[in-house]
Amino acid sequence: EADIYQTPRYLVIGTGKKITLECSQTMGHDKMYWYQQDPGMELHLIHYSYGVNSTEKGDLSSESTVSRIRTEHFPLTLESARPSHTSQYLCASSDGTATEAFFGQGTRLTVV
Amino acid sequence: GIQVEQSPPDLILQEGANSTLRCNFSDSVNNLQWFHQNPWGQLINLFYIPSGTKQNGRLSATTVATERYSLLYISSSQTTDSGVYFCAASYGNNRLAFGKGNQVVVIP
Repeated sequence: EADIYQTPRYLVIGTGKKITLECSQTMGHDKMYWYQQDPGMELHLIHYSYGVNSTEKGDLSSESTVSRIRTEHFPLTLESARPSHTSQYLCASSDGTATEAFFGQGTRLTVV
Repeated sequence: GIQVEQSPPDLILQEGANSTLRCNFSDSVNNLQWFHQNPWGQLINLFYIPSGTKQNGRLSATTVATERYSLLYISSSQTTDSGVYFCAASYGNNRLAFGKGNQVVVIP
């Protein structure tokens, strides 16, 4: 069973607010990822990290930012939330080059 | 990046029936995973299968890497098998490209 956790599970917030979505893993994985999924659609990679102090943008452009100060922690921040940011955000981690990825429970974000 | 196509997009099954879901990918991949997304949105790992065949209970999967496809078999389907099945192919440094999913509904 994967040990990767996301909080909060659900978040409803007003336009213009700053939010941080938390993601933590206890498996010691060096690689971590953020994916975005709109309802009924596929997942798109928005950020990834290969280790501490390493962050890269993914295939889908996002106004969010990430940081990787500790191996186990990979938070995602939106400085000013907008309704277009409403979506589900899923965090994942893996180890090595071609190994199995594990996902957290996801955060369902609604911006009103 | 890699293109991943899944078929069929939607499938309705009578409980007890068997089915096959297909995943085609456009380029060589490091690995291939199948997931089941539950109603709460969580992705549950089903198979990590870069090549060959694996079985887990009523589910099995086969990946033919040289021909760039993978198959997920569901035998004796149950209502709990309902949901969306995603195929994801790894490229670059273990980044995953997802297909659009197979929406499966199993009716009693």
